[in-house]
Amino acid sequence: GENVEQHPSTLSVQEGDSAVIKCTYSDSASNYFPWYKQELGKGPQLIIDIRSNVGEKKDQRIAVTLNKTAKHFSLHITETQPEDSAVYFCAAPDGYNDMRFGAGTRLTVKP
Amino acid sequence: DTGVSQDPRHKITKRGQNVTFRCDPISEHNRLYWYRQTLGQGPEFLTYFQNEAQLEKSRLLSDRFSAERPKGSFSTLEIQRTEQGDSAMYLCASSPGPLGNSPLHFGNGTRLTVT
Repeated sequence: GENVEQHPSTLSVQEGDSAVIKCTYSDSASNYFPWYKQELGKGPQLIIDIRSNVGEKKDQRIAVTLNKTAKHFSLHITETQPEDSAVYFCAAPDGYNDMRFGAGTRLTVKP
Repeated sequence: DTGVSQDPRHKITKRGQNVTFRCDPISEHNRLYWYRQTLGQGPEFLTYFQNEAQLEKSRLLSDRFSAERPKGSFSTLEIQRTEQGDSAMYLCASSPGPLGNSPLHFGNGTRLTVT
């Protein structure tokens, strides 16, 4: 089955700086890679996803890159703001009925 | 799109008691999932429904756990004879298609504390 590893586990940046979170996956058949943001007391919310037919996708200050050969994908947040502080999870499908999640990265943006 | 809703948001129970949680998915999604999340970890898959049929269960789902989706709309997750190790956040999610290329839409979860 799919195995997803995520690092770092914690990340602290100054407001306005960039943040990068990296994930690796094991199943070369995986073709869809979502990223979720989880705020305290809430469920994970999808923030961006990428399919394997593209290498990069951007949505305002958030971007995701995918390297299928190396089986890793990364989340990039530019011009970070205090409201970006949260736990971020990467994920990859394990077949059609399960999504495997990384262990999460706690991002703290200091004003 | 009113999102996935879960009830209750919090449940405190004594060891040995039974608890039941409810999930209302996004109405146009026929796929519904239950996940469990413990502190400092990502969500872990428990079970999956397509319409009213329970098609997959994780080995994490012991005999004390049962889930239903009787009319293919809302779902319930029951835990019998709760143990302290059951304390976790129980997340419900729905999706518009197979997870191989569709996202999960999560509710805000039910936090269970077993004392």
